[in-house]
Amino acid sequence: AQKITQTQPGMFVQEKEAVTLDCTYDTSDPSYGLFWYKQPSSGEMIFLIYQGSYDQQNATEGRYSLNFQKARKSANLVISASQLGDSAMYFCAMKNTGGFKTIFGAGTRLFVKA
Amino acid sequence: NAGVTQTPKFRILKIGQSMTLQCAQDMNHNYMYWYRQDPGMGLKLIYYSVGAGITDKGEVPNGYNVSRSTTEDFPLRLELAAPSQTSVYFCASSPGQGLSGNTIYFGEGSWLTVV
Repeated sequence: AQKITQTQPGMFVQEKEAVTLDCTYDTSDPSYGLFWYKQPSSGEMIFLIYQGSYDQQNATEGRYSLNFQKARKSANLVISASQLGDSAMYFCAMKNTGGFKTIFGAGTRLFVKA
Repeated sequence: NAGVTQTPKFRILKIGQSMTLQCAQDMNHNYMYWYRQDPGMGLKLIYYSVGAGITDKGEVPNGYNVSRSTTEDFPLRLELAAPSQTSVYFCASSPGQGLSGNTIYFGEGSWLTVV
């Protein structure tokens, strides 16, 4: 069975510093995708970054990078140079390539301090 | 780009009432989903569809029904609303299978309160 675990209910980071949000996953399927989404207080879900299980390099999108450690089954999100607008809920998600369902972790609320 | 459009954005229902949440996408995506998000929680899959005419249950389907008569539309029906269905509902779509087709695109959410 698939499972996504986010163990940090809340995180604080100082503006302009980097922060790592943890995500571990479990699946028996060798081919899968990992995602991070941002949910600001307005409620919409915003796609941030994607990592395929066979990708050789860690994914990067601007200030977001995904620290993918396949052997440890972890897919941590790194946000560099945090901004006040980064304050939001962040969800890690996974989908097996041959499956239909994307499952989500419980989320981590990030607070960026000025 | 309209993307995924959900209506209504807010609704208050009385216990026992029924309603339909509308969802439409204009990206020609095969896969569509309905999730619910309870306060302070992650998303749970209610129903999903892999194409017109095909639907299947997710993690929490009880109390809901869906249909997929066209590629674009995926309405969610709540029958006999209960307070436990108070939640934020997200409709989503994705292109389909394959590594690059996995990314999900979400609507803006529908806030539903059952009193």
